[in-house]
Amino acid sequence: GAVVSQHPSRVICKSGTSVKIECRSLDFQATTMFWYRQFPKQSLMLMATSNEGSKATYEQGVEKDKFLINHASLTLSTLTVTSAHPEDSSFYICSARPTGRDNEQFFGPGTRLTVL
Amino acid sequence: TQLLEQSPQFLSIQEGENLTVYCNSSSVFSSLQWYRQEPGEGPVLLVTVVTGGEVKKLKRLTFQFGDARKDSSLHITAAQPGDTGLYLCAGARQAGTALIFGKGTTLSVSS
Repeated sequence: GAVVSQHPSRVICKSGTSVKIECRSLDFQATTMFWYRQFPKQSLMLMATSNEGSKATYEQGVEKDKFLINHASLTLSTLTVTSAHPEDSSFYICSARPTGRDNEQFFGPGTRLTVL
Repeated sequence: TQLLEQSPQFLSIQEGENLTVYCNSSSVFSSLQWYRQEPGEGPVLLVTVVTGGEVKKLKRLTFQFGDARKDSSLHITAAQPGDTGLYLCAGARQAGTALIFGKGTTLSVSS
């Protein structure tokens, strides 16, 4: 149990295009999901907290108009990188917190985004 | 300022040696987790500690949460090449909030 999937696992796009990344909790409901970014040889940096049915909360320095987050159901959150540029190339990881289990978070396998 | 200071950042040891990774903070955490991450994959949860002074064991891995819930350690006994990877500590200031990650410890165990 407690499986989180991400799609796609890897994406290469041209500069200026938008890319959507999906995060799904497969066998549990998640009122809250989190989006992280990880650069090579570095740790995870929290980008935003996504709550089902409400607006996401973004961390300082993260542009909400560039990284659009939608959490339309209890099992799906999406992150759209708009007008992507090479500096947005990174490893994007989501995590999902099972509803009612505040001390647990389960991570997806990550999405490698490369912007040419 | 890093809220969670993890050390050492890199560790290279021989098979059979013991090692300890530390995660320290000046802040109190509701809970603290340890993860292991392989290249190109998401972090995999090893353990969650929530009670001050708590000690948990997972085979050759021993995890401890400080009495004041400000620090934690991961001790590996008789390390094996299969233990090689990135170990991350992460804490939640309050239950249900996002995890704050340490910078990670890259462990390399050679045979």
